[in-house]
Amino acid sequence: GQQLNQSPQSMFIQEGEDVSMNCTSSSIFNTWLWYKQDPGEGPVLLIALYKAGELTSNGRLTAQFGITRKDSFLNISASIPSDVGIYFCAGPPLSNSGYALNFGKGTSLLVTP
Amino acid sequence: GAVVSQHPSWVICKSGTSVKIECRSLDFQATTMFWYRQFPKQSLMLMATSNEGSKATYEQGVEKDKFLINHASLTLSTLTVTSAHPEDSSFYICSARGGTLGTQYFGPGTRLLVL
Repeated sequence: GQQLNQSPQSMFIQEGEDVSMNCTSSSIFNTWLWYKQDPGEGPVLLIALYKAGELTSNGRLTAQFGITRKDSFLNISASIPSDVGIYFCAGPPLSNSGYALNFGKGTSLLVTP
Repeated sequence: GAVVSQHPSWVICKSGTSVKIECRSLDFQATTMFWYRQFPKQSLMLMATSNEGSKATYEQGVEKDKFLINHASLTLSTLTVTSAHPEDSSFYICSARGGTLGTQYFGPGTRLLVL
């Protein structure tokens, strides 16, 4: 399937800092999803975006669906230690009628107290 | 939010045995469920798409006779790893598609270790 390019690959920040990560694709997506995965657990949905240009917040998290429908970003404000984990962007490309998700390779976030 | 469960959460087995993993959507009906595999420090890789009442669709490179999928009801899909070998050791995660927007919700995963 179409590759989702996620960056940065990893981030090491101090508690209280803001974080930004993004995801790009060469293909158009109708839906962008952001998940967080803790070690040994399944991914948990953080934010779902369904419309180009959409900006959605979930607590300290904000995500936007790019106008071109080929990119999205996720921001975390005032990070805390429990934000540690791997963040994945995902989406079902238009070419996929079965709704299976393509995943980015993830951004590993480490937060020091 | 929607809840998806997996059972067992972890399993250790001898090489050559078969292992069945269950995936259930607890509070919604899922006409489509997906099975993913994740190796350490890697992303999730789709193995197959499971539709209730029909045969699963496997991704390229995934052996359908090795990974048997059954989706007998709108809330249950099972993945059976037949004649498991050490290279099948991995973290297996299912997801279920539900709700009005068809969002995918993931189970907590099953860690398989084949000795």
